[in-house]
Amino acid sequence: SAVISQKPSRDICQRGTSLTIQCQVDSQVTMMFWYRQQPGQSLTLIATANQGSEATYESGFVIDKFPISRPNLTFSTLTVSNMSPEDSSIYLCSAPHSGGTEAFFGQGTRLTVV
Amino acid sequence: QQQVKQSPQSLIVQKGGISIINCAYENTAFDYFPWYQQFPGKGPALLIAIRPDVSEKKEGRFTISFNKSAKQFSLHIMDSQPGDSATYFCAAADSGNTPLVFGKGTRLSVIA
Repeated sequence: SAVISQKPSRDICQRGTSLTIQCQVDSQVTMMFWYRQQPGQSLTLIATANQGSEATYESGFVIDKFPISRPNLTFSTLTVSNMSPEDSSIYLCSAPHSGGTEAFFGQGTRLTVV
Repeated sequence: QQQVKQSPQSLIVQKGGISIINCAYENTAFDYFPWYQQFPGKGPALLIAIRPDVSEKKEGRFTISFNKSAKQFSLHIMDSQPGDSATYFCAAADSGNTPLVFGKGTRLSVIA
């Protein structure tokens, strides 16, 4: 299975500030995915990050709020910008196992905005 | 995103019993159906997955049953243990390198 390291694991942030979450995969992958999991809820896809091109965002998520970088095949960042308490969630990155569909997740970043 | 419907929302099972969680999907292009287990404070962990070319897959105490014609699949946890208490998510995808669509999750509690 792929090993995905995500950091920070948790943070408490002031409203109006921004937080950048990093995701490192132990193998090269074409696609990486960013999800949001609100308290007690399921996972909702934020965007798909493809190396060498702009991320593709799902309905309800915009680049100005959630800019994503994908500088190489093993790394991606998600920034949560101009945070409000409604952004308090767990943010997860995911990557497929190389050559397959099996998707593995980082341990998540628990964000609390105060 | 295409929807995956999961039930029940919560489940309480006696230790040693069988836990059954069901999912139904709409998109006939889906060809990969994984189940994830999530403990509080942790990311989802891949538990078991199935593809439409088989009707059942078993790994230890965990079994996926798949009914292609009904567009349904289910997770069975045999001899359920308190350590199985977690939230379980079913998901589906239609090819490699595409994102998963998740069900809403089932909170399982196994009581002694």
